[in-house]
Amino acid sequence: AQSVTQLDSQVPVFEEAPVELRCNYSSSVSVYLFWYVQYPNQGLQLLLKYLSGSTLVKGINGFEAEFNKSQTSFHLRKPSVHISDTAEYFCAVKLSGTASKLTFGTGTRLQVTL
Amino acid sequence: GAVVSQHPSWVICKSGTSVKIECRSLDFQATTMFWYRQFPKQSLMLMATSNEGSKATYEQGVEKDKFLINHASLTLSTLTVTSAHPEDSSFYICSAQRQETGELFFGEGSRLTVL
Repeated sequence: AQSVTQLDSQVPVFEEAPVELRCNYSSSVSVYLFWYVQYPNQGLQLLLKYLSGSTLVKGINGFEAEFNKSQTSFHLRKPSVHISDTAEYFCAVKLSGTASKLTFGTGTRLQVTL
Repeated sequence: GAVVSQHPSWVICKSGTSVKIECRSLDFQATTMFWYRQFPKQSLMLMATSNEGSKATYEQGVEKDKFLINHASLTLSTLTVTSAHPEDSSFYICSAQRQETGELFFGEGSRLTVL
């Protein structure tokens, strides 16, 4: 079965600083990888996804992530964060193919301050 | 973009009553919908997979008689928490899988508080 690990439960960062949120996955077969953002008392919004092709994936709100198969990682990055980026970020994995279920990491709380 | 609507977004009920939460895909057909439960400051835990016209598939440890799921049409799935108790208080989120592309879209979530 697939699994995903987000080692950092909280990441504090100053506004306009760069940030990286780490995600590692485990699977014996091909996977699809996703990053979602959750604002307080709201559902999840898809930031970006890796299905195949280019390993550098660009998403909404200036975020990007790089799929690294050898390191089984899919870290999320943004070169300059804003206060409005403060939220919970979830990495998720599913086996290739549409029928498999999505497995979420435990989430990383990004706290942006002035 | 595709929209998934959950209703109600907030609900407070007395212990012992049943609560129904609706999940609707507003502009696409969803053959499969998923129901998640999220405890405060924790990740989403999949409760069940709901397929249109068939019985839901529940994850291990989830009581199917407690959490009734109905997926009567390609745009609507409902989760009924029967005889709710305070420990059922949680944030419930649904997602709908677009039939044509397999993409997943999430609802805004429903916060249930059982007194």
